[in-house]
Amino acid sequence: GAVVSQHPSRVICKSGTSVKIECRSLDFQATTMFWYRQFPKQSLMLMATSNEGSKATYEQGVEKDKFLINHASLTLSTLTVTSAHPEDSSFYICSARDRGAAGNTIYFGEGSWLTVV
Amino acid sequence: AQSVTQLDSQVPVFEEAPVELRCNYSSSVSVYLFWYVQYPNQGLQLLLKYLSGSTLVKGINGFEAEFNKSQTSFHLRKPSVHISDTAEYFCAVSDRGSASKIIFGSGTRLSIRP
Repeated sequence: GAVVSQHPSRVICKSGTSVKIECRSLDFQATTMFWYRQFPKQSLMLMATSNEGSKATYEQGVEKDKFLINHASLTLSTLTVTSAHPEDSSFYICSARDRGAAGNTIYFGEGSWLTVV
Repeated sequence: AQSVTQLDSQVPVFEEAPVELRCNYSSSVSVYLFWYVQYPNQGLQLLLKYLSGSTLVKGINGFEAEFNKSQTSFHLRKPSVHISDTAEYFCAVSDRGSASKIIFGSGTRLSIRP
C-alpha cells in the first residue's frame, strides 16, 4: 500500500535552535500534505495544509513564522520549527493525499517526536 | 465546517467480547468518514472509510462501521476483540472537496482485559 515516510522519527534539539522534519510520499504523488501536532493522550490538531508549489495554509492560532512549511515537490514537504522552545516538544505527524486515488484518500506518516531541551 | 464527537474517551472490554466505539459528526454538506487506529508511539493507520454506497463498511482487522445519515453517526464495531486491538481509535470527517482537510475526533482509548 501507499507509504508516507517521516524523518527523523525522533529528534532532540537545544532551545533556540531550529529543526527540520521531512515528510515524503514514497510511491504516489501528493499535491496536498497536512501537518498535525499531537500532545500526549490527545487528538491530532491540524497545524497547516501544504500544497505543492504554493504557500501553506495555516490553521488559526498557528504561528507561520515559527512553523515553516515547504512543499517543493509532489513527494516532499518539510516542517521547520524555528527557534524551538521546550513547549514545542510534541509528536508531529504528516499526512499526504494521494492525487490518483478515489475519495479523500490520505495516508499518514509514522510521526516525529521532537524534544526541545 | 465539520466536527466530530467521540463520546467515550476510554472503553475497557474483556478479550473476545464485542465492542462498539461511538462517533457522531456534524456537517452542513455531504462528508467522507474515517476511522483510524494509533498504536503507542506510532502514526495513524486507516481502518476503514465511508465514501458512498453501502452504509456498512468493512475494514481491516475485523472492524466494521455503519454510516447512519439520519443519526449523523459512524460507530465502529468488532464482534470479538483481541489483546492486540489495544490502541487509540480516532474517528474523522472531511467534506467531499478535492482539497479537504480531515478533522479528527478526540479519540477513544480501547483497552482489552484478558
